[in-house]
Amino acid sequence: AQSVTQLGSHVSVSEGALVLLRCNYSSSVPPYLFWYVQYPNQGLQLLLKYTSAATLVKGINGFEAEFKKSETSFHLTKPSAHMSDAAEYFCAVSDRRDSSYKLIFGSGTRLLVRP
Amino acid sequence: ETGVTQSPTHLIKTRGQQVTLRCSSQSGHNTVSWYQQALGQGPQFIFQYYREEENGRGNFPPRFSGLQFPNYSSELNVNALELDDSALYLCASSRPQGNTIYFGEGSWLTVV
Repeated sequence: AQSVTQLGSHVSVSEGALVLLRCNYSSSVPPYLFWYVQYPNQGLQLLLKYTSAATLVKGINGFEAEFKKSETSFHLTKPSAHMSDAAEYFCAVSDRRDSSYKLIFGSGTRLLVRP
Repeated sequence: ETGVTQSPTHLIKTRGQQVTLRCSSQSGHNTVSWYQQALGQGPQFIFQYYREEENGRGNFPPRFSGLQFPNYSSELNVNALELDDSALYLCASSRPQGNTIYFGEGSWLTVV
């Protein structure tokens, strides 16, 4: 069975600092991987996805993530945090063999940005 | 803006009652999925509908049921509501054979 682990339920950075949100997955075959962002009282917005093309994936709002098969990781980074990046971030995995492509989510990481 | 719309946005129900949540998928998307997000947790897959048939179900009891209509819109029905059903219910749509899922803003259900 697939699973996702997000290390750190809360991450706090200063404005302008590097953002690093960690995600490790478990899957018997290379999965599809996603990062979603959720602002307060809103739904989920897709930041980026990995579907077996380039291992370094660029997304919206300056975020990127690198798929590392040897480490079973898909960490999310942004060189310089903005106040507007404060939100909940979810890593998710889906099985390319499953026609439903259902998503299995991690428990989320809340990003706090200090002025 | 993902083009996925849900209604109602908020509602309060009493334990034991029934609720129906509605979702309109993005244009061109024939697959609709429903997720439950309890407070402080990640979303959990309830089920998916493709061409009006259920196509996958998560670990939810039968009192969670759904429908998909010919225009690809969908309903989530929950019978015999329990306090633990209080959550944000998210609808998501995707293209045929698409591996990217787009979410609506969700319906907040409170069971008292």
